[in-house]
Amino acid sequence: EAGVVQSPRYKIIEKKQPVAFWCNPISGHNTLYWYRQNLGQGPELLIRYENEEAVDDSQLPKDRFSAERLKGVDSTLKIQPAELGDSAVYLCASSLTTAWDTEAFFGQGTRLTVV
Amino acid sequence: DQQVKQNSPSLSVQEGRISILNCDYTNSMFDYFLWYKKYPAEGPTFLISISSIKDKNEDGRFTVFLNKSAKHLSLHIVPSQPGDSAVYFCAAYKRSQGNLIFGKGTKLSVKP
Repeated sequence: EAGVVQSPRYKIIEKKQPVAFWCNPISGHNTLYWYRQNLGQGPELLIRYENEEAVDDSQLPKDRFSAERLKGVDSTLKIQPAELGDSAVYLCASSLTTAWDTEAFFGQGTRLTVV
Repeated sequence: DQQVKQNSPSLSVQEGRISILNCDYTNSMFDYFLWYKKYPAEGPTFLISISSIKDKNEDGRFTVFLNKSAKHLSLHIVPSQPGDSAVYFCAAYKRSQGNLIFGKGTKLSVKP
């Protein structure tokens, strides 16, 4: 079974440029998360989707970040314009939400460097 | 204010000995606690979890202990192997929030 797939793996852009990340979750997983991991820190939630609905975007900097999950499957995360402080690893995760299964499966992440 | 804390940024252990990774939390309403393992340039992978109603869960070489009164959990790896060298993240989950809250991680080095 394929895991969570993210692309690109690495991205280097100049500040003020736009950038987009793509995530394909595990088939059948209705919950999708975008996390950001800064160097030396744990992952922090940016946005969580239940199917196509964003149910928690309280930590998403909405002035420059946007996300969408069309048809409740793939998702894209966009930053426009990027700032130096956005350099981080962006992780996508998915889970099958049930009462007893809280495990989230992560993709390999996209390492963003803003110069 | 960090809700999940891993106060040891690193730990070094000899192969064959026990590794003990610690995690403290502040919110008594968490439903589950999970441990994730992360190798460089890879995403975190699930290792083991424990429900808040239990005090121990064991899976092969890995055992997680939960002390609710102390708001503390620990991951024991016995015996430790060089392949266990990675960063270990403690995470907590509250069903009403539906989100994992992570600690900063502990880098484990198992020396042959």
